[in-house]
Amino acid sequence: SQQGEEDPQALSIQEGENATMNCSYKTSINNLQWYRQNSGRGLVHLILIRSNEREKHSGRLRVTLDTSKKSSSLLITASRAADTASYFCATDSNSGYALNFGKGTSLLVTP
Amino acid sequence: DVKVTQSSRYLVKRTGEKVFLECVQDMDHENMFWYRQDPGLGLRLIYFSYDVKMKEKGDIPEGYSVSREKKERFSLILESASTNQTSMYLCASSLRVGHEQFFGPGTRLTVL
Repeated sequence: SQQGEEDPQALSIQEGENATMNCSYKTSINNLQWYRQNSGRGLVHLILIRSNEREKHSGRLRVTLDTSKKSSSLLITASRAADTASYFCATDSNSGYALNFGKGTSLLVTP
Repeated sequence: DVKVTQSSRYLVKRTGEKVFLECVQDMDHENMFWYRQDPGLGLRLIYFSYDVKMKEKGDIPEGYSVSREKKERFSLILESASTNQTSMYLCASSLRVGHEQFFGPGTRLTVL
């Protein structure tokens, strides 16, 4: 079952601007992950943040996690046209094996 | 470099045909997954396997079966394809449960 819910569904920005997308979830988690999917391709893992972490950085990516609000945000700084993709959050599930993915945020970065 | 491959990028089948989608990973991962992705519905888990010959149903297993005879290979089988199984199928693997999953490029299946 899907637990993560991304917001907004779609986002359009210009190169150089920052892009922020949010994820809300319903039940307690051990970790939350963000993935990117280029059009018609498989998903690529971006970053994993554990439930006891509040913020994590990877290059131009910054992820925050607020377990009290059951929400996470992904910030992409100084965006590039190549960042155009769909972004998904994923939480670990009750079964412990599978991940629950949200429906994604579609990001368009125009030159 | 880690790799998950899927047997076809595009596949067109007729209603009632038996369809095999193959997935191979070269990372010695225990866990493998099959998802389908549809517009507006996101990724939905069909089946997963946590060991050879072991399988668990996901959220939408109806109309599908799976086979894991070898650690590196996880097959999705559509016993009798129907038009509502037209979708993008994504295979993934992971070393540890609940952790990073590595995805294949996907198979876009059209059932006519």
